[in-house]
Amino acid sequence: NAGVTQTPKFQVLKTGQSMTLQCAQDMNHEYMSWYRQDPGMGLRLIHYSVGAGITDQGEVPNGYNVSRSTTEDFPLRLLSAAPSQTSVYFCASSDRGGEKLFFGSGTQLSVL
Amino acid sequence: AQSVTQPDIHITVSEGASLELRCNYSYGATPYLFWYVQSPGQGLQLLLKYFSGDTLVQGIKGFEAEFKRSQSSFNLRKPSVHWSDAAEYFCAVGSGGYQKVTFGTGTKLQVIP
Repeated sequence: NAGVTQTPKFQVLKTGQSMTLQCAQDMNHEYMSWYRQDPGMGLRLIHYSVGAGITDQGEVPNGYNVSRSTTEDFPLRLLSAAPSQTSVYFCASSDRGGEKLFFGSGTQLSVL
Repeated sequence: AQSVTQPDIHITVSEGASLELRCNYSYGATPYLFWYVQSPGQGLQLLLKYFSGDTLVQGIKGFEAEFKRSQSSFNLRKPSVHWSDAAEYFCAVGSGGYQKVTFGTGTKLQVIP
C-alpha cells in the first residue's frame, strides 16, 4: 500500500516562480490537508479538504492555493514563491472518523 | 479557536530513565487528543489518541498518556526510555470527524547513554 505520496521530495525555487506540490492517497480518504513545518513553529495547517470539490483555509493560507477535483489528489500551488515559504510541507489524510492522520514523507522547499 | 501548548522545547533524559512530556490544550468541547512522533527526515506517526472513555490511554512503543480535563492536559509518559525514542514529539487536538487538527510546537527528545 502506497498510503500518502508526495512529490517532489526536494525543490529549489527562485523568488516569484510558481510550482505545484503534488499529494495523492490511495486509501479513499475524504479528508486531506496540507501543513508546513518550520523550526520552533510545529506544524501549521495551510488548507484542508473534506471531499472532492470542497476546500477551506487553515491557519496560514496566504500565498497558497488548493483544489480537490478527485478524492485521491490534493495539490498545493504556490503562485509566486517567496523566501518566507521556505519550509517542509506535509500532506496528510484521514477517513471520515478522523481517528488518525496519515502523513506523506514531506517536501523540502527552498525559495531563494 | 483550538490550540495546543507544549512548554518544553527540548528535553534530555538518560536511557532507562522515565519520561514525561507536557501538553496543554484549549478547546471548547470534548477534544480529540493525539500524540505523534517524528523521527529525523520522516513524516509523523501516531503514538496514541484519546477520544472518550478511560482517561489513561496506551499507545505504541510503550507510551501512555493521561487526559485530565480539569487541567486541560494530555501528558505523554514512558517508564523507561530507549535510545531509539530520540525524536520530536507533537501533541495535537482535533474535533473529530471531518476535523482540523491543530499541532503544538513540538518537544525534541534527546536520549543519552
